[in-house]
Amino acid sequence: GAGVSQSPSNKVTEKGKDVELRCDPISGHTALYWYRQRLGQGLEFLIYFQGNSAPDKSGLPSDRFSAERTGESVSTLTIQRTQQEDSAVYLCASRQAVLAGSYEQYFGPGTRLTVT
Amino acid sequence: AQTVTQSQPEMSVQEAETVTLSCTYDTSESDYYLFWYKQPPSRQMILVIRQEAYKQQNATENRFSVNFQKAAKSFSLKISDSQLGDAAMYFCAYRSLPSSGSARQLTFGSGTQLTVLP
Repeated sequence: GAGVSQSPSNKVTEKGKDVELRCDPISGHTALYWYRQRLGQGLEFLIYFQGNSAPDKSGLPSDRFSAERTGESVSTLTIQRTQQEDSAVYLCASRQAVLAGSYEQYFGPGTRLTVT
Repeated sequence: AQTVTQSQPEMSVQEAETVTLSCTYDTSESDYYLFWYKQPPSRQMILVIRQEAYKQQNATENRFSVNFQKAAKSFSLKISDSQLGDAAMYFCAYRSLPSSGSARQLTFGSGTQLTVLP
């Protein structure tokens, strides 16, 4: 089946503009994660959605960052008033419900965001 | 909070030879999962191998194997018979066991860039 997809693949924006990044998880995966990867670094956790539960936002770096997910479908990550330090690759991952016995996260190809 | 450290920013290996990538971690938990992910230039994160901390036996997946030393909190990856396609950034990652309300997110190291020389 199809894997995790993300759009756009690359995004260049001017400082101060808002951006929206999209993630389409694998169908049937109840859990969805957003991570940020700065150049030459590992992935930093941003936010986690599990079904209809309240999201875990503990990784969001500031109130300029927000994310939404309706049910078990598409998620959007929004960054308002972008700053140059927001330049990074934003990766999305999805996972089956734990009860299904799987703990593996499947990653999308990421969106490379460049703030000029 | 857990931390993962990869002290080798870059490594190189001759094709067909063996290379070992190092990873150490810090945790107060007694049970957890450890992973190695591969990230080629396409940016796609690919799971290479995983280890459950309660298992004493080291995990193996074809040419990939780990040396898991729980007491030392060490989790190294050995790649045997290296191939050109193994060239990528390799990340070590930690994940807590499932618990109620837990995000179960992965905590990553900073990565090791592996070059395979023909």
